[in-house]
Amino acid sequence: QQQVKQSPQSLIVQKGGISIINCAYENTAFDYFPWYQQFPGKGPALLIAIRPDVSEKKEGRFTISFNKSAKQFSLHIMDSQPGDSATYFCAASQETSGSRLTFGEGTQLTVNP
Amino acid sequence: NAGVTQTPKFRVLKTGQSMTLLCAQDMNHEYMYWYRQDPGMGLRLIHYSVGEGTTAKGEVPDGYNVSRLKKQNFLLGLESAAPSQTSVYFCASRGALSNQPQHFGDGTRLSIL
Repeated sequence: QQQVKQSPQSLIVQKGGISIINCAYENTAFDYFPWYQQFPGKGPALLIAIRPDVSEKKEGRFTISFNKSAKQFSLHIMDSQPGDSATYFCAASQETSGSRLTFGEGTQLTVNP
Repeated sequence: NAGVTQTPKFRVLKTGQSMTLLCAQDMNHEYMYWYRQDPGMGLRLIHYSVGEGTTAKGEVPDGYNVSRLKKQNFLLGLESAAPSQTSVYFCASRGALSNQPQHFGDGTRLSIL
């Protein structure tokens, strides 16, 4: 049972465009929602994270939008660059259960120059 | 400044063979995790540990065992390898305080023939 669903599976955008990746979760006990970026041959690295008490968090070109009532959150990459080409994973965890991450399926982002 | 180190990076096994994957972290983190990554399925938690001497099952624990005898090390064992265990295995660690991200190693690519 996939508790975090991510879409799309793959995404192609032009340089300078906006990349949007969406996730939906089922477990209302989740209280931490990170996004990870993974390059080929490397482990995932934390990109940005949000807690459910805020609806939006922005760090540079990366923004998380969070909708608690809809149980959805999304990653927006503004002014997308070829160097952003990677696989992106959304995840969710519950602090009181060992902070175990439940990951979405991943999105392969390609930014064309 | 190693962070999380996984050994080995690559391994090919025959069905029925056993092996141990080693994860070492130098950040004095309390929590450690083992995930497997398969195409289209994101990362799935196998086992985790919230402190030295403790282990717990994750989402997909069958066929694996773990040990955390020392705080800095987390071992993942396959007693009798099966082709279904062909995957990329990632170890991660995290501090015990709130809002701490999980730090990942670069993975072990394991093929079972």
